[in-house]
Amino acid sequence: ETGVTQSPTHLIKTRGQQVTLRCSSQSGHNTVSWYQQALGQGPQFIFQYYREEENGRGNFPPRFSGLQFPNYSSELNVNALELDDSALYLCASSLADTTYEQYFGPGTRLTVT
Amino acid sequence: GDSVTQMEGPVTLSEEAFLTINCTYTATGYPSLFWYVQYPGEGLQLLLKATKADDKGSNKGFEATYRKETTSFHLEKGSVQVSDSAVYFCALSDWNTGNQFYFGTGTSLTVIP
Repeated sequence: ETGVTQSPTHLIKTRGQQVTLRCSSQSGHNTVSWYQQALGQGPQFIFQYYREEENGRGNFPPRFSGLQFPNYSSELNVNALELDDSALYLCASSLADTTYEQYFGPGTRLTVT
Repeated sequence: GDSVTQMEGPVTLSEEAFLTINCTYTATGYPSLFWYVQYPGEGLQLLLKATKADDKGSNKGFEATYRKETTSFHLEKGSVQVSDSAVYFCALSDWNTGNQFYFGTGTSLTVIP
C-alpha cells in the first residue's frame, strides 16, 4: 500500500506567476483535501475534493483552485501568486465515509519572491 | 465558528519527564478530536483520535480524553523519550462544517537526554 505522495518537494516562484502542485492519494482513498501551512502555524483548510467535485472550501480566494482526476490524484493551482502564499502545502487523502481519518503527504514547500 | 486553541510552546523536557499539552476547542456540532504529530521535514501523522465525548484516544504511550464539559482534549504521556521531539497539533473535524479540519497552531516539543 503506497502512501500519499506530493510533487514537487520544493518550488520557487515569482510574484504574479501561477503554480500547480500535485498529489497522489493513498491507494483506495477517494477524497483529497489540501491545506496551507505557514511557517510556525497550523495547517489551514483550502478545499476538499470527492469524486472530482469540490466538496467544501475554506476561507481562500478563487485564485486557489483544484482538480481531482478519475484515479483520485489531485492538483492545486494558485494564480497571481503573492508573497503571502509562501508556505508548505499539504495534501491529505481519506475515504469518504471516514474523512476524519486523513493521511498526509510530506508537502510541497512553495517560496514566492 | 469552529476553532482549536493549543498551548503555546516551545516545550523542553528531560527524558522520562511527564508531558501535558493543553488543547481546548470551540465547535457548533459534535466534533471528532485528533492529535497529529509532525517530525522535522515530514508531513503530519495521526497520533490518536476520539470521536465522541468521554472517549480516550491512545497510541505509542500518548493519551487524550475527549472532555465535552470542559471542551478539552489534552495530550499526555507519562515518560517522554528523545524520539518524541516533534511538533504536536490538536485538531477537530465537525460534520456540521462538512468534516473540514481545524488545526491549532502547534506545540514544539524538545526532549533532552
